[in-house]
Amino acid sequence: GQQLNQSPQSMFIQEGEDVSMNCTSSSIFNTWLWYKQDPGEGPVLLIALYKAGELTSNGRLTAQFGITRKDSFLNISASIPSDVGIYFCAGLHDVAYAGGTSYGKLTFGQGTILTVHP
Amino acid sequence: DGGITQSPKYLFRKEGQNVTLSCEQNLNHDAMYWYRQDPGQGLRLIYYSQIVNDFQKGDIAEGYSVSREKKESFPLTVTSAQKNPTAFYLCASSTTGWQPQHFGDGTRLSIL
Repeated sequence: GQQLNQSPQSMFIQEGEDVSMNCTSSSIFNTWLWYKQDPGEGPVLLIALYKAGELTSNGRLTAQFGITRKDSFLNISASIPSDVGIYFCAGLHDVAYAGGTSYGKLTFGQGTILTVHP
Repeated sequence: DGGITQSPKYLFRKEGQNVTLSCEQNLNHDAMYWYRQDPGQGLRLIYYSQIVNDFQKGDIAEGYSVSREKKESFPLTVTSAQKNPTAFYLCASSTTGWQPQHFGDGTRLSIL
């Protein structure tokens, strides 16, 4: 099946620093998503990318859909303490099932744990 | 407010017992999903449903069952056949199967 390699696994940074994390795969994805999860809560969608080469920003967050459709990165600029959490990439691809129909399946990376020191 | 509600927040299961986790959404989404999250393993798909009265197995369906009798509801039953049920369970929904998924706040299941 599809697999995503997300790196780094964890990051310890000082407040105000910029952060970069990425996901790579040997498979092609139609859509890339980036989520943030706080402890004990569900993931929250940060950015969605739909086209190869697309660069999208959401406040201090910027993400790009790789040209090859096999990778994506997320940058966080000028980090603040509330950026602490686990960041997940997820790739959406078509999966066929019985009856000739298909659905879009999300495959998740392992997550990047971000710690920000004040 | 529109959203996805999971209940209970915490659940304890005894040996040999089936337990059911609730997931309700008022977003009018067609597609709903159940994921299991273990430390260091990301999210793994248990079951998904593209439309009412239809659902399909995901990657780790053994020991679990679901139903989709109403558009807004997608309950998950963890059966006694699931030998390692301790995990954080997340429900998600999307407008269609090819749109970004939005998650509830999860249910943490533990064994007594």
